[in-house]
Amino acid sequence: AQRVTQPEKLLSVFKGAPVELKCNYSYSGSPELFWYVQYSRQRLQLLLRHISRESIKGFTADLNKGETSFHLKKPFAQEEDSAMYYCALSGQSSASKIIFGSGTRLSIRP
Amino acid sequence: DVKVTQSSRYLVKRTGEKVFLECVQDMDHENMFWYRQDPGLGLRLIYFSYDVKMKEKGDIPEGYSVSREKKERFSLILESASTNQTSMYLCASKRRGTGELFFGEGSRLTVL
Repeated sequence: AQRVTQPEKLLSVFKGAPVELKCNYSYSGSPELFWYVQYSRQRLQLLLRHISRESIKGFTADLNKGETSFHLKKPFAQEEDSAMYYCALSGQSSASKIIFGSGTRLSIRP
Repeated sequence: DVKVTQSSRYLVKRTGEKVFLECVQDMDHENMFWYRQDPGLGLRLIYFSYDVKMKEKGDIPEGYSVSREKKERFSLILESASTNQTSMYLCASKRRGTGELFFGEGSRLTVL
């Protein structure tokens, strides 16, 4: 069965500190993994996807198939990073469903 | 810019009423999705559609149905609303073969 687990409901760090939001998944096959972000009063939007292997707003995420993890990291948190973050998983078929984790609220303290 | 529009931002309905939530996208996307968003539970997939008139159950389809008569429109129907369906409902769409979902602003439904 497909499953996405985000163990932390809330993560609070000081500005300038490193950030790591955890995401673990279960999927039989080769999934696509994503991180979505929802800033206050804005729509959910894509932050990054594992296949692009890029850094967006200083965030990176590496797919670790051995540990079935896709943790989101940023070396130096900024106040504007405060938001709700969701990890998501999709199969590779065009008819695949896309499922989300329960989300982690990131709060950056000044 | 992709636009996903949900017709109602806020609705208040009574238990037992039939509720229609409408979603329209303007970028010719093949795939459309309905989620509900609840604190502590994240986004849970209700139904999705990968083509006109095609629909697939998500993880929590009970109490819901959907309609996709035209490519741009995906409707979520609550045949008989119940209080446990009080939630934020999010519609999303994506182009076939790509991974990025584009979301609407959400419809907050309260069932009394």
